[in-house]
Formats: sequence, C-alpha cells, structure tokens
Amino acid sequence: NAGVTQTPKFQVLKTGQSMTLQCAQDMNHNSMYWYRQDPGMGLRLIYYSASEGTTDKGEVPNGYNVSRLNKREFSLRLESAAPSQTSVYFCASSAPGPEYFGPGTRLLVL
Amino acid sequence: DQQVKQNSPSLSVQEGRISILNCDYTNSMFDYFLWYKKYPAEGPTFLISISSIKDKNEDGRFTVFLNKSAKHLSLHIVPSQPGDSAVYFCAASEETDSWGKLQFGAGTQVVVTP
Repeated sequence: NAGVTQTPKFQVLKTGQSMTLQCAQDMNHNSMYWYRQDPGMGLRLIYYSASEGTTDKGEVPNGYNVSRLNKREFSLRLESAAPSQTSVYFCASSAPGPEYFGPGTRLLVL
Repeated sequence: DQQVKQNSPSLSVQEGRISILNCDYTNSMFDYFLWYKKYPAEGPTFLISISSIKDKNEDGRFTVFLNKSAKHLSLHIVPSQPGDSAVYFCAASEETDSWGKLQFGAGTQVVVTP
C-alpha cells in the first residue's frame, strides 16, 4: 500500500517549457488535490477533484491545468512554465476525512 | 489574504517539556481544524483534528484546543521528544462532509533540544 505517489521528485524547466506532474493514490479515495508550497506561505490549493470526472479551481489556479484520469490518478500540467511557478508541489487525496499527502515534486523554473 | 495564521515561525523546546503551538483564523465558516506535521523532503502527515462542536481533542501526547469565540486553536505536545522536531501546519476547512479544500497556515518550525 504505497499511499499517494508523485513523479517526478525533482524537475528543472526553462521558461516556456511544459510539463505534467503525475499523482496516483491506491487508497480508493474519492477526492484529490494539488497544492503548492512556497516559503512563508504554507500550502495553497491549486486545483481539486471532488470525485472522478470533476475538477474545480482552488486558490491559485492560473497557469495550471488538471486531469482526473480515473479514480486513482490526478495530473497537473504547466503549459508554459514561468519562474513564479518555482515551488514544491504536493498531491493529496481524501476519503472524505483528513487529506493524505504525497512526498512532493520540487520544481525549478529558470 | 491569509485566513489561517501561525504567528510564530519557530519554537525551541527542551526534551520532556511541553510544546504549545498557536493558530488563529479569520473565517467564521471554518468547521474543521487539523494539524499536520512535516519533515524535510516529505509530504505533510496528518496529526490530529477537531470539529467546531468540540473544544478539545486528545490523542496520546497530542492535544488540540479550540476556542471558537476567539477564533484560536492550539496544539499541545507533552512530553516533547526529539522526533517531534518538524514543521507543524495548522489547517482549516469549511466543508462539512469531505474536509476538502484546506486553508493552511504558514507553519511553525519546532526544534526539540536534548
């Protein structure tokens, strides 16, 4: 039982490049989330998916898109990366109940 | 505008003593409050929660207190142990069924010294 897994662990992009962050959970949770963590800011919600087939914007959705591929997988896409998107990205899932987080993806945009 | 605030960025405490972490919030619609613990290079892990109908919840060495009128909650760790050294995040949610869409504070770095 791996919980929430994220790939890649670390990525360096140049401004304007695109990439997709992958997230999968094996806990049969209905809801999944993408957060970003910046120094002094805590975690901020980018997008969430309350159930398979639905997605909604969170607090900081600009510059991102998401896909809830199936119940297990929720991906986050940066179409044209900007230096302001340098951050640590966390995926989470919940049953309902407390959210369980993955180990994070550290992204550096040059 | 941050709706959940942790005003102490860091806290140093001796092993065996009590650690008290504080959290204030501004949104009166918050119904559920959670504490997460985070080690470097790992994701946050759920520690303890409390709903707005309670004023205290205890789990082993961890106790969370909620004062709704003051919009304040605190986490007590007794006794503190070296493994408690981590960043602690306070989080809150308006959701009544899914606990989703958490609002997080900026975190408090706890260092437990021998």
